[in-house]
Amino acid sequence: DIQMTQSPSTLSASVGDRVTLTCRASQSIDSWLAWYQQKPGKAPKVLIYKAFKLESGVPSRFSGSGSGTEFTLTISSLQPDDFATYYCQQYNSYPYIFGQGTKLEIK
Amino acid sequence: EVQLVQSGAEVKKPGESLKISCKGSGYRFSNYWIGWVRQMPGKGLEWMGVIYPGDSDTRYSPSFEGQVTISVDESISVAYLQWSSLKASDTAMYYCVRVALAAALNGWLDPWGQGTLVTVSS
Repeated sequence: DIQMTQSPSTLSASVGDRVTLTCRASQSIDSWLAWYQQKPGKAPKVLIYKAFKLESGVPSRFSGSGSGTEFTLTISSLQPDDFATYYCQQYNSYPYIFGQGTKLEIK
Repeated sequence: EVQLVQSGAEVKKPGESLKISCKGSGYRFSNYWIGWVRQMPGKGLEWMGVIYPGDSDTRYSPSFEGQVTISVDESISVAYLQWSSLKASDTAMYYCVRVALAAALNGWLDPWGQGTLVTVSS
Protein backbone atom coordinates (compact mmCIF):
# COMPACT_ATOMS: atom_id res chain seq x y z
CA ASP A 1 0.00 0.00 0.00
CA ILE A 2 0.99 3.59 -0.56
CA GLN A 3 2.03 5.41 2.61
CA MET A 4 1.28 9.10 3.20
CA THR A 5 3.39 11.21 5.54
CA GLN A 6 2.41 14.70 6.64
CA SER A 7 4.67 17.31 8.19
CA PRO A 8 4.78 18.90 10.57
CA SER A 9 2.52 17.02 12.98
CA THR A 10 1.73 20.28 14.76
CA LEU A 11 2.16 23.83 13.56
CA SER A 12 1.77 26.93 15.72
CA ALA A 13 0.94 30.09 13.83
CA SER A 14 -0.77 33.46 14.21
CA VAL A 15 -3.72 35.06 12.48
CA GLY A 16 -2.50 36.60 9.25
CA ASP A 17 0.44 34.23 8.81
CA ARG A 18 1.09 32.36 5.59
CA VAL A 19 1.49 28.65 6.33
CA THR A 20 2.43 25.63 4.26
CA LEU A 21 1.62 22.03 5.15
CA THR A 22 3.38 19.15 3.41
CA CYS A 23 2.23 15.67 2.40
CA ARG A 24 4.56 13.06 0.90
CA ALA A 25 3.57 9.81 -0.78
CA SER A 26 5.75 6.68 -0.68
CA GLN A 27 5.34 6.31 -4.45
CA SER A 28 3.98 8.46 -7.23
CA ILE A 29 0.27 9.22 -7.06
CA ASP A 30 0.26 11.62 -10.01
CA SER A 31 -2.14 14.39 -8.90
CA TRP A 32 -4.66 12.15 -7.17
CA LEU A 33 -4.55 13.86 -3.81
CA ALA A 34 -7.17 15.55 -1.66
CA TRP A 35 -6.90 17.76 1.43
CA TYR A 36 -9.48 17.78 4.23
CA GLN A 37 -10.08 20.07 7.18
CA GLN A 38 -11.46 18.72 10.44
CA LYS A 39 -12.56 20.85 13.37
CA PRO A 40 -13.04 19.34 16.84
CA GLY A 41 -16.24 17.33 17.09
CA LYS A 42 -17.02 17.70 13.40
CA ALA A 43 -16.71 15.54 10.32
CA PRO A 44 -13.89 16.35 7.91
CA LYS A 45 -14.70 18.36 4.81
CA VAL A 46 -12.84 18.48 1.52
CA LEU A 47 -10.88 21.62 0.68
CA ILE A 48 -8.79 20.60 -2.34
CA TYR A 49 -8.96 17.69 -4.79
CA LYS A 50 -6.77 16.61 -7.67
CA ALA A 51 -3.90 18.25 -5.78
CA PHE A 52 -4.86 21.82 -6.71
CA LYS A 53 -8.58 22.10 -7.46
CA LEU A 54 -10.45 24.19 -4.91
CA GLU A 55 -13.74 22.69 -3.74
CA SER A 56 -16.72 24.96 -4.32
CA GLY A 57 -17.30 27.32 -1.42
CA VAL A 58 -13.78 27.01 0.00
CA PRO A 59 -12.07 30.40 0.51
CA SER A 60 -9.44 31.31 -2.05
CA ARG A 61 -6.79 31.73 0.68
CA PHE A 62 -6.46 27.93 0.49
CA SER A 63 -4.39 26.52 -2.35
CA GLY A 64 -2.81 23.19 -3.19
CA SER A 65 0.14 22.23 -5.33
CA GLY A 66 2.40 19.35 -6.20
CA SER A 67 2.40 16.11 -8.14
CA GLY A 68 4.09 12.74 -7.98
CA THR A 69 5.16 12.30 -4.37
CA GLU A 70 5.34 15.79 -2.87
CA PHE A 71 2.34 18.02 -2.16
CA THR A 72 1.61 21.19 -0.25
CA LEU A 73 -1.42 22.94 1.15
CA THR A 74 -0.92 26.67 1.62
CA ILE A 75 -3.10 29.08 3.54
CA SER A 76 -2.15 32.57 2.42
CA SER A 77 -3.41 34.51 5.43
CA LEU A 78 -4.59 32.52 8.42
CA GLN A 79 -8.02 33.32 9.77
CA PRO A 80 -9.36 32.31 13.21
CA ASP A 81 -11.65 29.76 11.55
CA ASP A 82 -8.66 27.95 9.99
CA PHE A 83 -7.26 26.51 13.21
CA ALA A 84 -8.06 22.83 12.77
CA THR A 85 -6.48 19.53 11.78
CA TYR A 86 -5.67 18.93 8.11
CA TYR A 87 -5.41 15.54 6.42
CA CYS A 88 -4.21 14.54 2.99
CA GLN A 89 -5.59 11.47 1.20
CA GLN A 90 -4.34 9.67 -1.87
CA TYR A 91 -6.85 8.20 -4.31
CA ASN A 92 -4.47 7.03 -7.01
CA SER A 93 -4.98 3.42 -6.00
CA TYR A 94 -7.15 1.46 -3.63
CA PRO A 95 -7.08 1.30 -0.60
CA TYR A 96 -7.25 5.00 0.04
CA ILE A 97 -4.72 6.11 2.61
CA PHE A 98 -4.81 9.23 4.75
CA GLY A 99 -1.85 11.07 6.15
CA GLN A 100 -1.62 11.18 9.93
CA GLY A 101 -2.71 14.83 10.02
CA THR A 102 -1.27 18.25 10.80
CA LYS A 103 -2.80 20.12 13.71
CA LEU A 104 -2.73 23.88 13.14
CA GLU A 105 -2.69 25.68 16.47
CA ILE A 106 -2.89 29.31 17.50
CA LYS A 107 0.47 30.68 18.60
CA GLU B 1 -28.54 19.04 -1.33
CA VAL B 2 -26.36 15.93 -1.34
CA GLN B 3 -26.40 14.54 2.18
CA LEU B 4 -25.41 11.48 4.21
CA VAL B 5 -27.22 11.04 7.52
CA GLN B 6 -25.98 8.43 9.96
CA SER B 7 -27.70 6.57 12.77
CA GLY B 8 -27.24 7.66 16.37
CA ALA B 9 -24.60 6.92 18.96
CA GLU B 10 -24.37 3.39 20.36
CA VAL B 11 -23.13 1.97 23.65
CA LYS B 12 -22.46 -1.75 23.58
CA LYS B 13 -20.72 -4.44 25.60
CA PRO B 14 -17.81 -6.53 24.32
CA GLY B 15 -19.04 -9.51 22.34
CA GLU B 16 -22.29 -7.86 21.25
CA SER B 17 -23.22 -7.30 17.62
CA LEU B 18 -23.99 -3.97 16.01
CA LYS B 19 -25.15 -2.54 12.69
CA ILE B 20 -24.97 1.21 12.02
CA SER B 21 -26.47 2.94 9.03
CA CYS B 22 -25.93 5.79 6.59
CA LYS B 23 -28.75 7.16 4.43
CA GLY B 24 -27.95 9.04 1.26
CA SER B 25 -30.20 11.70 -0.25
CA GLY B 26 -30.09 14.37 -2.92
CA TYR B 27 -28.38 12.20 -5.52
CA ARG B 28 -28.66 8.87 -7.39
CA PHE B 29 -27.57 6.56 -4.56
CA SER B 30 -26.92 3.55 -6.77
CA ASN B 31 -24.31 5.36 -8.87
CA TYR B 32 -21.75 6.35 -6.24
CA TRP B 33 -19.41 4.27 -4.10
CA ILE B 34 -20.06 4.67 -0.36
CA GLY B 35 -17.29 4.09 2.16
CA TRP B 36 -16.58 4.03 5.88
CA VAL B 37 -13.82 5.77 7.83
CA ARG B 38 -12.81 5.09 11.42
CA GLN B 39 -11.46 7.69 13.80
CA MET B 40 -10.38 6.37 17.18
CA PRO B 41 -10.40 8.83 20.10
CA GLY B 42 -7.78 11.52 19.56
CA LYS B 43 -6.42 9.80 16.44
CA GLY B 44 -6.41 10.19 12.69
CA LEU B 45 -8.58 8.90 9.87
CA GLU B 46 -8.47 5.25 8.78
CA TRP B 47 -10.06 3.92 5.61
CA MET B 48 -12.17 0.79 6.26
CA GLY B 49 -13.85 -0.14 3.00
CA VAL B 50 -16.28 0.81 0.27
CA ILE B 51 -19.35 -0.56 -1.51
CA TYR B 52 -21.02 0.19 -4.84
CA PRO B 53 -24.80 0.18 -4.27
CA GLY B 54 -25.53 -0.60 -7.91
CA ASP B 55 -24.12 -4.14 -7.69
CA SER B 56 -22.94 -4.45 -4.04
CA ASP B 57 -19.30 -4.77 -5.16
CA THR B 58 -17.41 -4.38 -1.87
CA ARG B 59 -13.74 -3.67 -1.21
CA TYR B 60 -12.15 -3.73 2.24
CA SER B 61 -8.93 -2.22 3.50
CA PRO B 62 -6.65 -5.12 4.52
CA SER B 63 -6.70 -3.91 8.14
CA PHE B 64 -10.47 -4.33 8.34
CA GLU B 65 -11.06 -7.40 6.15
CA GLY B 66 -12.84 -10.02 8.25
CA GLN B 67 -13.39 -7.58 11.12
CA VAL B 68 -16.48 -5.77 9.78
CA THR B 69 -19.12 -6.23 7.11
CA ILE B 70 -20.22 -3.49 4.74
CA SER B 71 -23.60 -3.86 3.05
CA VAL B 72 -26.23 -1.79 1.34
CA ASP B 73 -29.97 -1.68 0.75
CA GLU B 74 -30.25 0.17 -2.54
CA SER B 75 -34.05 0.27 -2.35
CA ILE B 76 -33.95 2.63 0.62
CA SER B 77 -30.60 4.31 -0.15
CA VAL B 78 -28.91 3.05 3.01
CA ALA B 79 -25.43 1.67 3.59
CA TYR B 80 -24.49 -0.33 6.67
CA LEU B 81 -21.43 -1.14 8.73
CA GLN B 82 -21.73 -4.23 10.89
CA TRP B 83 -19.82 -6.04 13.62
CA SER B 84 -20.63 -9.58 14.78
CA SER B 85 -18.64 -9.40 18.02
CA LEU B 86 -17.49 -6.01 19.27
CA LYS B 87 -14.25 -5.38 21.13
CA ALA B 88 -13.29 -2.47 23.35
CA SER B 89 -10.83 -1.45 20.63
CA ASP B 90 -13.77 -0.82 18.26
CA THR B 91 -14.61 2.27 20.31
CA ALA B 92 -14.41 5.10 17.79
CA MET B 93 -16.28 7.58 15.66
CA TYR B 94 -17.33 6.07 12.34
CA TYR B 95 -18.01 8.26 9.30
CA CYS B 96 -19.69 7.26 6.09
CA VAL B 97 -18.48 9.06 2.97
CA ARG B 98 -19.37 9.20 -0.68
CA VAL B 99 -16.73 8.93 -3.39
CA ALA B 100 -17.30 12.17 -5.21
CA LEU B 101 -17.29 10.95 -8.82
CA ALA B 102 -20.15 8.87 -10.18
CA ALA B 103 -19.24 5.21 -10.71
CA ALA B 104 -15.58 5.90 -9.91
CA LEU B 105 -13.86 3.82 -7.23
CA ASN B 106 -10.94 6.23 -7.07
CA GLY B 107 -11.92 9.70 -5.98
CA TRP B 108 -11.98 12.20 -3.21
CA LEU B 109 -14.56 11.91 -0.47
CA ASP B 110 -17.53 14.24 -0.41
CA PRO B 111 -19.80 14.56 1.41
CA TRP B 112 -19.20 13.03 4.83
CA GLY B 113 -21.87 11.87 7.21
CA GLN B 114 -22.04 13.47 10.64
CA GLY B 115 -20.47 10.43 12.28
CA THR B 116 -21.70 7.67 14.59
CA LEU B 117 -19.94 7.29 17.92
CA VAL B 118 -19.61 3.67 18.97
CA THR B 119 -18.59 2.99 22.56
CA VAL B 120 -17.78 -0.57 23.61
CA SER B 121 -17.37 -1.02 27.34
CA SER B 122 -18.16 -3.63 29.92
